[in-house]
Amino acid sequence: DVKVTQSSRYLVKRTGEKVFLECVQDMDHENMFWYRQDPGLGLRLIYFSYDVKMKEKGDIPEGYSVSREKKERFSLILESASTNQTSMYLCASRLTLGGYTFGSGTRLTVV
Amino acid sequence: AQKVTQAQTEISVVEKEDVTLDCVYETRDTTYYLFWYKQPPSGELVFLIRRNSFDEQNEISGRYSWNFQKSTSSFNFTITASQVVDSAVYFCALSEFGQGAQKLVFGQGTRLTINP
Repeated sequence: DVKVTQSSRYLVKRTGEKVFLECVQDMDHENMFWYRQDPGLGLRLIYFSYDVKMKEKGDIPEGYSVSREKKERFSLILESASTNQTSMYLCASRLTLGGYTFGSGTRLTVV
Repeated sequence: AQKVTQAQTEISVVEKEDVTLDCVYETRDTTYYLFWYKQPPSGELVFLIRRNSFDEQNEISGRYSWNFQKSTSSFNFTITASQVVDSAVYFCALSEFGQGAQKLVFGQGTRLTINP
């Protein structure tokens, strides 16, 4: 089974901190995605990547950046965390023509 | 633009009842994929089904069934004889048909509670 691992299950950070959320997949998938989940809004796409060093903005990229230096790892970066970035963050990966596999999520609280 | 609407925010039923979760979508694409995911309290999204737009056959998997109607842009999900373990948030999603990094567009989710 494909496994998508998010490094932290729960995270508490202070306003203004630089925050890194890490995601690793173990099946050589080309495509990786970062979503945030908020009640009543479902999951919204922040950024995605279709290859190493390649990235595309999703629907809500403001306040975020990403890094993909290696195929298996896709990092989401909050340059200066704010309270409105308190949310559940979900990473996903996809093989070309394949299904999407999601990680267990990181619940981030910014205080 | 693509859009998925799950109008039912929360549903609560008693165990063994049948329950249907509604999903309506909008897209200008003629070919696309539709998905259902389950999110139990543990948080991970569990894949349930993927349909492509040119296959309108209904699908049954155990107690789960899906009704895809292109004419009404709906992809509804029915659980027959519900069980407490079915309690979760369920998401309907849509993606373009293709080989690359097609993003998933999600509905708002429906929180289903099955009471014993």
